[in-house]
Amino acid sequence: GEDVEQSLFLSVREGDSSVINCTYTDSSSTYLYWYKQEPGAGLQLLTYIFSNMDMKQDQRLTVLLNKKDKHLSLRIADTQTGDSAIYFCAERSRGNTDKLIFGTGTRLQVFP
Amino acid sequence: NAGVTQTPKFQVLKTGQSMTLQCAQDMNHNSMYWYRQDPGMGLRLIYYSASEGTTDKGEVPNGYNVSRLNKREFSLRLESAAPSQTSVYFCASTDIRNQPQHFGDGTRLSIL
Repeated sequence: GEDVEQSLFLSVREGDSSVINCTYTDSSSTYLYWYKQEPGAGLQLLTYIFSNMDMKQDQRLTVLLNKKDKHLSLRIADTQTGDSAIYFCAERSRGNTDKLIFGTGTRLQVFP
Repeated sequence: NAGVTQTPKFQVLKTGQSMTLQCAQDMNHNSMYWYRQDPGMGLRLIYYSASEGTTDKGEVPNGYNVSRLNKREFSLRLESAAPSQTSVYFCASTDIRNQPQHFGDGTRLSIL
């Protein structure tokens, strides 16, 4: 079945780059998403990438997709304390239901 | 823009009580979803509604029922709450035409 995996924790120093990794199993995924969840809040869409793309850049965010290895990463440049949150990777499979399969989330902690 | 609105934000129930979680979206989206979020498990799909008048089970539907009241509203009902249903519940919506899901801020539900 479909599965999405992420490491649970990442700790980085303020100003460094953060790289959050995700692996997925469904090779028919059409879109892959990154969501951010701050404490006590809902999920905020950060960025997404279509499966026919290898890379997408949006200001400090860079998404890399390796379809062969079914590996997705999110790089945050110049990480700030405000970036501390849980980051979820999600895949959307083919079909008409728009169902998303979420990873367990990676808790990013940024320290001074 | 309100986006996706969930009520209530917090609720405490006793085992065996019933409760309906409300969700409304003002983006004219066709599809709506209910997820639960538990520590270390990411988000799991409970039920979804691909369009007004249709509902389908997700990954963890047992103990829940849903109603797609109209295009805007999608409610989740717990008929007889159990401690295992203590969780944070998120509603989401999307236009079926390949757009990302938009999430509400969640309902934090504790069952004693």
